Amino acid sequence: GDSVTQMEGPVTLSEEAFLTINCTYTATGYPSLFWYVQYPGEGLQLLLKATKADDKGSNKGFEATYRKETTSFHLEKGSVQVSDSAVYFCALSRRRGSGSRLTFGEGTQLTVNP
Amino acid sequence: ETGVTQTPRHLVMGMTNKKSLKCEQHLGHNAMYWYKQSAKKPLELMFVYSLEERVENNSVPSRFSPECPNSSHLFLHLHTLQPEDSALYLCASSQENLRNEKLFFGSGTQLSVL
Repeated sequence: GDSVTQMEGPVTLSEEAFLTINCTYTATGYPSLFWYVQYPGEGLQLLLKATKADDKGSNKGFEATYRKETTSFHLEKGSVQVSDSAVYFCALSRRRGSGSRLTFGEGTQLTVNP
Repeated sequence: ETGVTQTPRHLVMGMTNKKSLKCEQHLGHNAMYWYKQSAKKPLELMFVYSLEERVENNSVPSRFSPECPNSSHLFLHLHTLQPEDSALYLCASSQENLRNEKLFFGSGTQLSVL
């Protein structure tokens, strides 16, 4: 079946450091790939997505590129801020009938210190 | 504010209690979901209601009983729960039949079973 594997956390960085959170997936066909973010006390929010190979999703300074050859969708940001502290979830989606179903990774806790 | 509201935010219950979680979405979506979020585990999809009909169950124990009276409201009825059911329960909604595959999440109900 489909699965998503994320690098283990927690990740602790200083402000303005470079961030990489690794994500690899297992799925047949051509899934869409997502990064969701969960700030403290809140539900998940879509951060960015990519729907086909070599697509790059980007939002709020975060980027991720859909790499089919390595089945990866690593999240990167060049300079993190304290406000980026949150849990980040990688996910994939495959359509079933009229809708789509998401498979999530375990989440990676990021803490950014001033 | 994501347009998905969950109540209560926190719930403590004994193993013999009966309680219900409520979710309401104000986005005009036609699909709603219950997810379970436990520490160090991927989000688990529990139930999906699409066009008010339950289309997926994922072998959830019968002590969890969903109800979707209309496209805007979703309930999760709980009875004789176990301590391992303690988790954050997230509700989400989406618009099916569009290739946007984006879920909107509520802030969740943090459930503790004593």
